[in-house]
Amino acid sequence: ETGVTQSPTHLIKTRGQQVTLRCSSQSGHNTVSWYQQALGQGPQFIFQYYREEENGRGNFPPRFSGLQFPNYSSELNVNALELDDSALYLCASSLRGTGKNSYNEQFFGPGTRLTVL
Amino acid sequence: RKEVEQDPGPFNVPEGATVAFNCTYSNSASQSFFWYRQDCRKEPKLLMSVYSSGNEDGRFTAQLNRASQYISLLIRDSKLSDSATYLCVVKGSQGNLIFGKGTKLSVKP
Repeated sequence: ETGVTQSPTHLIKTRGQQVTLRCSSQSGHNTVSWYQQALGQGPQFIFQYYREEENGRGNFPPRFSGLQFPNYSSELNVNALELDDSALYLCASSLRGTGKNSYNEQFFGPGTRLTVL
Repeated sequence: RKEVEQDPGPFNVPEGATVAFNCTYSNSASQSFFWYRQDCRKEPKLLMSVYSSGNEDGRFTAQLNRASQYISLLIRDSKLSDSATYLCVVKGSQGNLIFGKGTKLSVKP
């Protein structure tokens, strides 16, 4: 087990609704990244949080937003849900060092499977 | 062109077979490369990093060709437990992971 937990495990929503997914990072890790994995595809990077600030973002619209808390846990919020948002949402925690490019291994949580009807 | 492209698969092989997965990446400035394994309905897990000189971990061998922007994974003496999806991964400039679509491997008795 990686020590990364996510909740809920499954979720069903309807179009137009809003959803919040949660992630607790591995002890000692200060960085959380979120990924979306559609069926039959590889995970796609949504964004990354480091020290409570967004530190990088993939090609996702602004209705995908997030937070990181002082204990390094994180939330992913998606507004105005669309059918194509149905996917497995993965968070990954890692320990980022002091150097700009000192990124370490990312450990993934089990994911939240979101279905939008 | 996609940032990371993999063999489409699926690969169906008998136990004991040798199987090779190939992958290409588009950003010549990329520095870090990995193979992840993902079991059905589970999260991806790091299988191995890929180093310029090539590296081996038991039955698994990874190779990197920077000039061709090509990464490979060789699995020897396949086991039933090797059945999974294998994801080629390149680290992006934001510290994010850029995944290929994955190649599904089924090892049959």
